[in-house]
Amino acid sequence: DQQVKQNSPSLSVQEGRISILNCDYTNSMFDYFLWYKKYPAEGPTFLISISSIKDKNEDGRFTVFLNKSAKHLSLHIVPSQPGDSAVYFCAASGRNSGGSNYKLTFGKGTLLTVNP
Amino acid sequence: DGGITQSPKYLFRKEGQNVTLSCEQNLNHDAMYWYRQDPGQGLRLIYYSQIVNDFQKGDIAEGYSVSREKKESFPLTVTSAQKNPTAFYLCASSPGTSGRGRETQYFGPGTRLLVL
Repeated sequence: DQQVKQNSPSLSVQEGRISILNCDYTNSMFDYFLWYKKYPAEGPTFLISISSIKDKNEDGRFTVFLNKSAKHLSLHIVPSQPGDSAVYFCAASGRNSGGSNYKLTFGKGTLLTVNP
Repeated sequence: DGGITQSPKYLFRKEGQNVTLSCEQNLNHDAMYWYRQDPGQGLRLIYYSQIVNDFQKGDIAEGYSVSREKKESFPLTVTSAQKNPTAFYLCASSPGTSGRGRETQYFGPGTRLLVL
């Protein structure tokens, strides 16, 4: 049972335009969300995160939006650059029975291709 | 220069052989994790450790074993009981138990394991 879903396996955009990557989750106990970027044969790189007490977090060209009622988050990249071409993973964290956050549940990823 | 190192980059396993993947971090992080990535799949958690001398099974622990004798090190052994070991293995660490951003995991470069 997938608790974090990225329903688009791939996305293609033109350089300079906006890229919007989507993620849905089913577990209402998740309270912290992260986006990672991954190039082939490398480890994921942390991009941006958001706590469930917020609905938006921005860092440079990257903005994450959280809609708790819809259990949906999205990553916006503006403007998109060819170097942004990679697989993007959405991840979520929730408190275990002991009350500390430590596990992440990952989606399957979306391959973003930014065309020059 | 703080970070996470994994070795070797490529590893070959013969039938019936146990192999050990190394993971070292100098970030002074409490928590460490092992994930497995298969083509077209997200990251699946094998084992995690919140503190030295303690670790827990993740979602796909069968056929794997770990130890956490030092804060900096979290080696993963792929045993002969793991029938489908060919995958990309990723180690990660996070600050862990307290503080802002404790959930954010930082990844090593990965080890690709191949079966001969």
